[in-house]
Amino acid sequence: DSGVTQTPKHLITATGQRVTLRCSPRSGDLSVYWYQQSLDQGLQFLIQYYNGEERAKGNILERFSAQQFPDLHSELNLSSLELGDSALYFCASRAGLAGSSDTQYFGPGTRLTVL
Amino acid sequence: AQSVTQLGSHVSVSEGALVLLRCNYSSSVPPYLFWYVQYPNQGLQLLLKYTSAATLVKGINGFEAEFKKSETSFHLTKPSAHMRDAAEYFCAVSPMNRDDKIIFGKGTRLHILP
Repeated sequence: DSGVTQTPKHLITATGQRVTLRCSPRSGDLSVYWYQQSLDQGLQFLIQYYNGEERAKGNILERFSAQQFPDLHSELNLSSLELGDSALYFCASRAGLAGSSDTQYFGPGTRLTVL
Repeated sequence: AQSVTQLGSHVSVSEGALVLLRCNYSSSVPPYLFWYVQYPNQGLQLLLKYTSAATLVKGINGFEAEFKKSETSFHLTKPSAHMRDAAEYFCAVSPMNRDDKIIFGKGTRLHILP
């Protein structure tokens, strides 16, 4: 158990809909990362937050957005869903910023299926 | 820019045999290198991490990896495979001191034959 929790575990929805994925980082961790894992694209970094502020952006679509709240939990919002958005979405947390010796700890993921 | 190539999307070894998972990287700056493992229906778990302190890195579960700058490789090995090692393994790279820019390989699924 990494200490990172993600809800829900599974999500099935239809094209055009909007969903919200939730992540609670390990106690005390300030950084949260979101990743998408799909069969064709592999594991891709989407976005990072540190203490409530966006720090880095990867291959995140404009239809996707995220935020980190004062209690440090984070939400990833996916809208106008397409079939190709079906994937595993992982959240990871770490204590500090890049360059420190600490490690990213991954949650168990949310499996999104778009029908 | 950084990239990672994992040779072989599937590798099968017999229980008790040597495990060798290959990873080559490309990086324009000194890299951090990682190996992660993903067991079925679970998230990624860090096996080991190279941060320039030592070229031979020992990780959890008996795995180790050697950083070879001349070969731009970071292959993962384990002397004797166990059934519980069956999982997917990801090699990853990031610029040193910027592991918010971590780039993952496509993964190698390790099968253990009884």
